[in-house]
Amino acid sequence: GENVEQHPSTLSVQEGDSAVIKCTYSDSASNYFPWYKQELGKRPQLIIDIRSNVGEKKDQRIAVTLNKTAKHFSLHITETQPEDSAVYFCAATNSGGYQKVTFGTGTKLQVIP
Amino acid sequence: NAGVTQTPKFRVLKTGQSMTLLCAQDMNHEYMYWYRQDPGMGLRLIHYSVGEGTTAKGEVPDGYNVSRLKKQNFLLGLESAAPSQTSVYFCASSYSTSGGPLETQYFGPGTRLLVL
Repeated sequence: GENVEQHPSTLSVQEGDSAVIKCTYSDSASNYFPWYKQELGKRPQLIIDIRSNVGEKKDQRIAVTLNKTAKHFSLHITETQPEDSAVYFCAATNSGGYQKVTFGTGTKLQVIP
Repeated sequence: NAGVTQTPKFRVLKTGQSMTLLCAQDMNHEYMYWYRQDPGMGLRLIHYSVGEGTTAKGEVPDGYNVSRLKKQNFLLGLESAAPSQTSVYFCASSYSTSGGPLETQYFGPGTRLLVL
């Protein structure tokens, strides 16, 4: 089955700096890669996603890149703010009949004011 | 539109007791999932369902059973709770375009379970 590895597990940045979180996946059939943000005590919520036919996607201060050949994708947050502090999960899904999502182990991002 | 709801929010069980967690969604989603979240281990899939009356095992199904008798509900059962099942349980739902990949998963607020 699919295996998703996520790095780093913790990340501290100064407010205003950029943050990058990287994930690799194992199943070349995976074709949808969402990123979720989970604030303390809250549910995970989608912040951005990318499909396998796209190399990059941006939404204001966040962007995601995908390298299908290398089977890795990354989340980029620019001009970080204290409210960006949370745990971020990457995920990969294979629509080849299983219809389930495999999550990375999460990155705890701390933005220091 | 309540989205995805879970009951109960918190529960304490003694080893060997049984309980059922209820997940309900009002978005007419075909797919529903149960995850457990433990520190440092992310979200691990317990069981999932691709439609009413169907269920399938995920990554960590042992000790759990599920049922999807109605499209909007997905129940997670613990027949004989163990301390290793202490966790936060999240339900999620999603839809998929025909033959295509999954769309966004919408999560419930979570159920915190403590097994003593």
